Amino acid sequence: DIVMTQSPDFLAVSLGERATINCKASQSVVYSPNNKSYLAWYQHKPKQPPKTLIYWASTRESGVPDRFSGSGSGTDFTLTISSLQAEDVAVYYCQQYCCSPCTFGPGTRVELK
Amino acid sequence: QVQLVQSGAEMKPPGASVRVSCKASGYIFTGYYMHWVRQAPGQGFEWMAWTNPSNGGSKYAQKFQGRVSVTRDTSISTSYLELRWLTSDDTAVYYCARDRGITGSTIESPDYWGQGTLVTVSS
Repeated sequence: DIVMTQSPDFLAVSLGERATINCKASQSVVYSPNNKSYLAWYQHKPKQPPKTLIYWASTRESGVPDRFSGSGSGTDFTLTISSLQAEDVAVYYCQQYCCSPCTFGPGTRVELK
Repeated sequence: QVQLVQSGAEMKPPGASVRVSCKASGYIFTGYYMHWVRQAPGQGFEWMAWTNPSNGGSKYAQKFQGRVSVTRDTSISTSYLELRWLTSDDTAVYYCARDRGITGSTIESPDYWGQGTLVTVSS
């Protein structure tokens, strides 16, 4: 199974400041036939279902604010929140879906400083 | 709009089975794959299965092979997850999630999620 790791575990950011979350896969999540990175990012708040933010490593889900962006390829990926808002306090997870079983990172908790 | 509405919380004794339902609306149920994912208390997410509602085919995570089944009733646009021989380790919130990939193409990633169903296993 592909192991996903995230760093940091916890991130405290001031309102309006940038938050950067890293995700690393134990092997490449690029699907050779189309050369896409099969990597998604989710936001999870208590008592709510996860919300899909990013797929194909950098494609923003419809309706997701453009302060959220994804980058990276192969094994190393980043989720950036360019200007943190109060409603962005949540746990963020990466997930690879190139290879079965799809696996999730352990999550990064983002809070306000 | 796409909606996935799951059945209510369940409490089961160890050794029992549980069935969680996920009713889809706002799209053609047989047109998209469906995932089942769970999250135990204080833990991360764990993928359990995906299913093709068009033909009923499913793929299960090896960890759950033999004690999980995903079925569907296309007449009411509903997917079902059944988990057998429950233990306390199965206490978790179970989610259905629609895949953005259309049936007949490759599996992709979830786009819409159900609200979650808490399953508690306790004697």
